[in-house]
Amino acid sequence: DTEVTQTPKHLVMGMTNKKSLKCEQHMGHRAMYWYKQKAKKPPELMFVYSYEKLSINESVPSRFSPECPNSSLLNLHLHALQPEDSALYLCASSQAGQRYNEQFFGPGTRLTVL
Amino acid sequence: SQQGEEDPQALSIQEGENATMNCSYKTSINNLQWYRQNSGRGLVHLILIRSNEREKHSGRLRVTLDTSKKSSSLLITASRAADTASYFCATFPTGAGSYQLTFGKGTKLSVIP
Repeated sequence: DTEVTQTPKHLVMGMTNKKSLKCEQHMGHRAMYWYKQKAKKPPELMFVYSYEKLSINESVPSRFSPECPNSSLLNLHLHALQPEDSALYLCASSQAGQRYNEQFFGPGTRLTVL
Repeated sequence: SQQGEEDPQALSIQEGENATMNCSYKTSINNLQWYRQNSGRGLVHLILIRSNEREKHSGRLRVTLDTSKKSSSLLITASRAADTASYFCATFPTGAGSYQLTFGKGTKLSVIP
């Protein structure tokens, strides 16, 4: 299975809501990533988990809270978001330990904050 | 800030023609990768070229890397309508973490049937 899945595909939420994005992979990858992509822009790295531990946080506001419950799952908890947080949120995975690997991306969650 | 800059920003060609996209980057790299993204979807890894390689082929794709000029090119031969997508180069800058893949701004390719 070489697929990264993400749910939901689309999410609309108000600024006071709490929601979660989910990502799953069964490739045995031990590195997982969250990226944010605005329209007509490249993906920007938000968080990296390596061996289920948070290894990189690219100065992301605390209204975004990542969680890695096990080696196959990655969540992104959302709370009190702003309209400017509307974007495509991409999850990715790769082999860990070995360096500079290719990353496998999910289809993304299109988030709209009202 | 982005490490890579693609050129051109947009490219429109007829089906069957070749498409060439260029990428320039600023610092030394460990490898350079190319990804494709269909509209509003996830990215798909196309090809990886290491810093000690000069050229690599995969099917209809040909990638070159010139580390002295800090540039790379992606050639798609005999293009098809299904190749319509945005193409991003991505690098691991030397000194950055081994997970910190940095993307260029991308080239939007349109292949007209």
